Amino acid sequence: GAGVSQSPSNKVTEKGKDVELRCDPISGHTALYWYRQSLGQGLEFLIYFQGNSAPDKSGLPSDRFSAERTGGSVSTLTIQRTQQEDSAVYLCASSPRLAGSLSYEQYFGPGTRLTVT
Amino acid sequence: AQSVSQHNHHVILSEAASLELGCNYSYGGTVNLFWYVQYPGQHLQLLLKYFSGDPLVKGIKGFEAEFIKSKFSFNLRKPSVQWSDTAEYFCAVNNYGQNFVFGPGTRLSVLP
Repeated sequence: GAGVSQSPSNKVTEKGKDVELRCDPISGHTALYWYRQSLGQGLEFLIYFQGNSAPDKSGLPSDRFSAERTGGSVSTLTIQRTQQEDSAVYLCASSPRLAGSLSYEQYFGPGTRLTVT
Repeated sequence: AQSVSQHNHHVILSEAASLELGCNYSYGGTVNLFWYVQYPGQHLQLLLKYFSGDPLVKGIKGFEAEFIKSKFSFNLRKPSVQWSDTAEYFCAVNNYGQNFVFGPGTRLSVLP
């Protein structure tokens, strides 16, 4: 079946511009996660959605970052006034996590490589 | 806060050598444990997972991992690596109500 998809696959933008990154989770997956992977670094958690609500926004690095999820499906991550340090691969993952479930795993998309010049 | 450490940043092995990648985590409660693999140019894929039961779990491609609760460890092993195992390996932990926490990754290079 279809996996997690992300668009665009690559984005080059000028410093100061806004960008929107999109994630289409696996159909029926209730949980959605955004991560950032910088060169040579591990995965940095950004935000997590359960349905349309975001119980954990603790990883957003600044108020320039925001995310929303509508209809319990597609999510967009928006970065305003991009800076060079925002350059990274942004990964989305979805999970069939149900509220109260103890055990679940994530399925990752291919990522969006963002380059801020 | 939870944290995950991976002992090696970069491991270089010859084909047929045995592999063990270390992973330790800091959380003391009930945890789910994962190893993910990222092959060059590909996205992260689940290699294996531990939720409960037998602490020795087997994954795809001949990999296995052992959960040792007393040591807060979940080391990944493979008896004989192949060139195609060249990839980056990430250990991850999550517990109920919390997010996934990933280790920094270990890059494995297998020489033909």
